[in-house]
Amino acid sequence: AQKVTQAQTEISVVEKEDVTLDCVYETRDTTYYLFWYKQPPSGELVFLIRRNSFDEQNEISGRYSWNFQKSTSSFNFTITASQVVDSAVYFCALTYGGNKLVFGAGTILRVKS
Amino acid sequence: GAVVSQHPSRVICKSGTSVKIECRSLDFQATTMFWYRQFPKQSLMLMATSNEGSKATYEQGVEKDKFLINHASLTLSTLTVTSAHPEDSSFYICSARDFSFDSYNEQFFGPGTRLTVL
Repeated sequence: AQKVTQAQTEISVVEKEDVTLDCVYETRDTTYYLFWYKQPPSGELVFLIRRNSFDEQNEISGRYSWNFQKSTSSFNFTITASQVVDSAVYFCALTYGGNKLVFGAGTILRVKS
Repeated sequence: GAVVSQHPSRVICKSGTSVKIECRSLDFQATTMFWYRQFPKQSLMLMATSNEGSKATYEQGVEKDKFLINHASLTLSTLTVTSAHPEDSSFYICSARDFSFDSYNEQFFGPGTRLTVL
């Protein structure tokens, strides 16, 4: 069965520290997509990145970077030089059944000034 | 582009009443919409998949007679919580797929509706 595990329930860092959010997934599909979303206190999900199972290239977008490793079924997310505005809940998600999404439990990130 | 709206954003109702939540794709056609529920401090759980012009498909454990879903057009899906009770209080989020971007398998999420049942 499809499953996404975000083992870190909550992480607290001080501003300007780097932080990595872990995501491990399980699937029997050979073709799948992985996503990261940010959910600020307002509740609206903010799309951060999509990665398909055939593209293991790491990606960098500003202070954000993602490391996708099929060998370990991991799709980790790193924020460099964290800022208070990064404080939110972050969800990793995986497609299954062609078009459904299963979400991880989420990681609460608190960035203190 | 790819904007999804939900209405209302917040609703408070008395126990036993029914509440309707609308989900609209504003600038694209969505043949498939999804409804999620998120309890406080928990993750999003898929409730049902809604396909335009056909019956919704519910996930295991979701009562289809309690959560009525209608997807009558390519831009509108509605979720009606019938005879709501306090345990139905939750954050309901819809998403929609734009099949013109099908190769990306992406869902576009609405801003959510916070339901409080007194």
